[in-house]
Amino acid sequence: DAGVIQSPRHEVTEMGQEVTLRCKPISGHNSLFWYRQTMMRGLELLIYFNNNVPIDDSGMPEDRFSAKMPNASFSTLKIQPSEPRDSAVYFCASSLGAILDTQYFGPGTRLTVL
Amino acid sequence: AQKVTQAQTEISVVEKEDVTLDCVYETRDTTYYLFWYKQPPSGELVFLIRRNSFDEQNEISGRYSWNFQKSTSSFNFTITASQVVDSAVYFCALSEAQNQGGKLIFGQGTELSVKP
Repeated sequence: DAGVIQSPRHEVTEMGQEVTLRCKPISGHNSLFWYRQTMMRGLELLIYFNNNVPIDDSGMPEDRFSAKMPNASFSTLKIQPSEPRDSAVYFCASSLGAILDTQYFGPGTRLTVL
Repeated sequence: AQKVTQAQTEISVVEKEDVTLDCVYETRDTTYYLFWYKQPPSGELVFLIRRNSFDEQNEISGRYSWNFQKSTSSFNFTITASQVVDSAVYFCALSEAQNQGGKLIFGQGTELSVKP
Protein backbone atom coordinates (compact mmCIF):
# COMPACT_ATOMS: atom_id res chain seq x y z
CA ASP A 1 0.00 0.00 0.00
CA ALA A 2 1.22 3.46 -0.82
CA GLY A 3 2.11 5.64 2.12
CA VAL A 4 1.79 9.39 2.32
CA ILE A 5 3.23 10.97 -0.81
CA GLN A 6 4.85 14.39 -0.81
CA SER A 7 6.26 16.45 -3.62
CA PRO A 8 8.68 17.85 -4.31
CA ARG A 9 11.22 16.11 -2.07
CA HIS A 10 13.59 19.05 -2.31
CA GLU A 11 12.91 22.65 -3.19
CA VAL A 12 15.38 25.48 -3.49
CA THR A 13 13.99 28.91 -4.16
CA GLU A 14 14.86 32.57 -3.93
CA MET A 15 13.48 34.82 -1.23
CA GLY A 16 10.21 36.36 -2.29
CA GLN A 17 9.14 33.49 -4.53
CA GLU A 18 5.97 31.49 -4.04
CA VAL A 19 6.44 27.91 -2.90
CA THR A 20 3.81 25.17 -3.10
CA LEU A 21 4.22 21.87 -1.30
CA ARG A 22 1.94 18.98 -2.13
CA CYS A 23 0.65 15.99 -0.23
CA LYS A 24 -1.40 12.92 -1.02
CA PRO A 25 -2.61 11.15 2.13
CA ILE A 26 -3.05 7.42 2.55
CA SER A 27 -6.24 6.32 0.83
CA GLY A 28 -9.11 6.09 3.29
CA HIS A 29 -7.54 8.40 5.83
CA ASN A 30 -9.76 11.29 6.83
CA SER A 31 -7.30 13.49 8.71
CA LEU A 32 -4.30 15.27 7.25
CA PHE A 33 -1.58 17.17 9.08
CA TRP A 34 1.21 19.53 8.09
CA TYR A 35 4.28 19.72 10.35
CA ARG A 36 7.48 21.69 10.10
CA GLN A 37 10.83 20.53 11.44
CA THR A 38 13.66 22.94 12.24
CA MET A 39 16.71 22.67 14.43
CA MET A 40 15.54 25.52 16.63
CA ARG A 41 11.90 24.56 17.13
CA GLY A 42 11.88 20.82 16.46
CA LEU A 43 8.70 19.31 15.04
CA GLU A 44 5.64 21.53 15.25
CA LEU A 45 2.14 21.23 13.89
CA LEU A 46 1.16 23.89 11.40
CA ILE A 47 -2.40 22.89 10.52
CA TYR A 48 -4.62 19.89 10.35
CA PHE A 49 -7.74 18.93 8.42
CA ASN A 50 -10.47 16.48 9.16
CA ASN A 51 -12.72 15.47 6.26
CA ASN A 52 -11.10 18.25 4.20
CA VAL A 53 -12.06 20.93 6.74
CA PRO A 54 -9.33 22.84 8.61
CA ILE A 55 -9.71 22.08 12.32
CA ASP A 56 -6.71 23.76 13.89
CA ASP A 57 -4.50 26.27 12.09
CA SER A 58 -3.08 27.89 15.20
CA GLY A 59 0.39 26.72 14.27
CA MET A 60 0.49 28.54 10.93
CA PRO A 61 3.22 31.11 11.48
CA GLU A 62 1.73 34.04 9.62
CA ASP A 63 -0.37 35.13 6.70
CA ARG A 64 2.32 34.17 4.25
CA PHE A 65 1.36 30.55 4.90
CA SER A 66 -1.83 29.01 3.60
CA ALA A 67 -3.07 25.45 3.26
CA LYS A 68 -5.90 23.90 1.33
CA MET A 69 -7.47 20.49 1.01
CA PRO A 70 -9.78 20.59 -2.01
CA ASN A 71 -10.54 16.87 -1.81
CA ALA A 72 -9.80 13.80 0.28
CA SER A 73 -6.71 12.86 -1.70
CA PHE A 74 -4.82 16.12 -2.04
CA SER A 75 -3.54 19.00 0.04
CA THR A 76 -1.24 21.93 -0.58
CA LEU A 77 0.81 24.15 1.69
CA LYS A 78 1.73 27.45 0.12
CA ILE A 79 4.21 30.06 1.23
CA GLN A 80 3.99 33.44 -0.46
CA PRO A 81 6.33 35.26 -0.33
CA SER A 82 8.97 32.89 0.99
CA GLU A 83 11.72 34.03 3.37
CA PRO A 84 15.01 32.41 4.41
CA ARG A 85 13.60 31.64 7.87
CA ASP A 86 11.04 29.36 6.19
CA SER A 87 13.85 26.94 5.35
CA ALA A 88 12.91 23.66 7.02
CA VAL A 89 11.66 20.16 6.36
CA TYR A 90 7.90 20.09 5.91
CA PHE A 91 6.12 16.85 6.70
CA CYS A 92 2.65 15.80 5.78
CA ALA A 93 0.96 13.07 7.83
CA SER A 94 -2.40 11.36 7.68
CA SER A 95 -4.52 9.27 10.02
CA LEU A 96 -7.79 7.38 9.84
CA GLY A 97 -9.41 10.28 11.58
CA ALA A 98 -10.78 8.94 14.81
CA ILE A 99 -9.57 10.75 17.86
CA LEU A 100 -5.98 9.86 18.80
CA ASP A 101 -5.36 7.70 15.73
CA THR A 102 -1.80 7.05 14.70
CA GLN A 103 -0.38 9.57 12.26
CA TYR A 104 1.70 8.21 9.39
CA PHE A 105 4.22 10.57 7.91
CA GLY A 106 5.35 11.24 4.38
CA PRO A 107 9.03 11.51 3.46
CA GLY A 108 9.06 15.26 3.86
CA THR A 109 9.97 18.18 1.63
CA ARG A 110 13.26 19.90 2.36
CA LEU A 111 12.79 23.58 1.57
CA THR A 112 15.70 25.96 1.22
CA VAL A 113 14.98 29.64 0.71
CA LEU A 114 18.04 31.61 -0.38
CA ALA B 1 0.28 22.81 29.69
CA GLN B 2 1.21 19.84 27.57
CA LYS B 3 4.87 19.08 27.11
CA VAL B 4 7.20 16.23 26.23
CA THR B 5 10.76 16.19 27.49
CA GLN B 6 13.53 14.00 26.17
CA ALA B 7 16.43 15.01 28.36
CA GLN B 8 19.02 12.96 26.48
CA THR B 9 20.07 14.91 23.42
CA GLU B 10 22.62 12.37 22.22
CA ILE B 11 23.51 8.84 23.22
CA SER B 12 26.38 6.81 21.87
CA VAL B 13 26.69 3.07 22.44
CA VAL B 14 28.64 0.19 21.02
CA GLU B 15 26.80 -2.48 19.11
CA LYS B 16 25.10 -5.15 21.27
CA GLU B 17 24.76 -2.82 24.24
CA ASP B 18 21.30 -2.18 25.66
CA VAL B 19 20.15 1.42 25.63
CA THR B 20 17.18 3.23 27.19
CA LEU B 21 15.75 6.45 25.81
CA ASP B 22 13.87 8.52 28.36
CA CYS B 23 10.61 10.37 27.80
CA VAL B 24 8.72 12.42 30.38
CA TYR B 25 5.42 14.08 29.56
CA GLU B 26 3.08 16.63 31.08
CA THR B 27 -0.65 16.79 30.51
CA ARG B 28 -3.80 17.69 32.38
CA ASP B 29 -5.90 15.44 30.22
CA THR B 30 -6.92 12.02 31.51
CA THR B 31 -7.25 10.57 28.02
CA TYR B 32 -4.18 10.72 25.87
CA TYR B 33 -1.87 8.66 23.74
CA LEU B 34 1.89 8.43 23.73
CA PHE B 35 3.96 7.59 20.67
CA TRP B 36 7.49 6.85 19.62
CA TYR B 37 8.77 7.66 16.15
CA LYS B 38 12.13 6.90 14.58
CA GLN B 39 13.87 9.27 12.17
CA PRO B 40 16.76 7.52 10.44
CA PRO B 41 19.43 9.48 8.56
CA SER B 42 17.30 9.31 5.42
CA GLY B 43 14.89 11.70 7.14
CA GLU B 44 11.49 10.04 7.16
CA LEU B 45 9.50 9.61 10.37
CA VAL B 46 8.67 5.99 11.11
CA PHE B 47 5.94 5.09 13.57
CA LEU B 48 7.04 2.62 16.25
CA ILE B 49 4.36 2.40 18.92
CA ARG B 50 1.21 3.98 20.33
CA ARG B 51 0.10 3.55 23.93
CA ASN B 52 -3.10 4.91 25.50
CA SER B 53 -3.30 6.45 28.94
CA PHE B 54 -5.38 3.62 30.36
CA ASP B 55 -3.01 0.84 29.44
CA GLU B 56 0.14 0.72 31.55
CA GLN B 57 1.22 -2.70 30.39
CA ASN B 58 4.75 -2.83 29.12
CA GLU B 59 5.15 -3.77 25.50
CA ILE B 60 7.84 -5.77 23.78
CA SER B 61 8.40 -6.03 20.06
CA GLY B 62 11.51 -7.94 19.15
CA ARG B 63 14.49 -6.01 20.49
CA TYR B 64 12.30 -3.03 21.37
CA SER B 65 10.43 -2.59 24.63
CA TRP B 66 8.49 0.24 26.19
CA ASN B 67 7.85 1.02 29.84
CA PHE B 68 4.88 3.28 30.58
CA GLN B 69 4.52 4.56 34.14
CA LYS B 70 1.77 7.07 34.84
CA SER B 71 3.03 7.60 38.39
CA THR B 72 6.18 9.19 37.00
CA SER B 73 4.67 10.43 33.71
CA SER B 74 7.27 8.50 31.80
CA PHE B 75 7.24 6.41 28.65
CA ASN B 76 10.73 5.03 28.21
CA PHE B 77 12.02 3.07 25.26
CA THR B 78 14.65 0.34 25.50
CA ILE B 79 16.57 -1.23 22.67
CA THR B 80 18.16 -4.53 23.59
CA ALA B 81 21.34 -5.68 21.84
CA SER B 82 21.54 -2.52 19.77
CA GLN B 83 22.61 -2.65 16.13
CA VAL B 84 24.15 -0.10 13.81
CA VAL B 85 20.83 0.13 11.95
CA ASP B 86 19.25 1.49 15.14
CA SER B 87 21.22 4.70 14.68
CA ALA B 88 18.61 7.42 14.29
CA VAL B 89 16.85 10.24 16.08
CA TYR B 90 14.01 8.97 18.22
CA PHE B 91 11.03 11.15 19.09
CA CYS B 92 8.51 10.69 21.85
CA ALA B 93 5.15 12.39 21.26
CA LEU B 94 1.88 13.08 23.07
CA SER B 95 -1.65 13.45 21.72
CA GLU B 96 -4.48 14.59 23.95
CA ALA B 97 -8.19 13.97 23.56
CA GLN B 98 -8.96 17.58 24.52
CA ASN B 99 -7.18 18.71 21.36
CA GLN B 100 -9.58 16.53 19.37
CA GLY B 101 -6.70 14.13 19.12
CA GLY B 102 -5.22 16.09 16.30
CA LYS B 103 -2.05 17.59 17.58
CA LEU B 104 1.09 15.58 18.18
CA ILE B 105 3.36 17.30 20.66
CA PHE B 106 6.89 16.12 20.10
CA GLY B 107 9.89 16.02 22.35
CA GLN B 108 13.15 17.40 21.05
CA GLY B 109 14.40 13.96 20.13
CA THR B 110 17.30 11.78 21.20
CA GLU B 111 19.99 11.07 18.66
CA LEU B 112 21.21 7.53 19.09
CA SER B 113 24.51 6.49 17.57
CA VAL B 114 25.37 2.81 17.58
CA LYS B 115 28.97 2.13 16.72
CA PRO B 116 30.22 -1.20 15.42
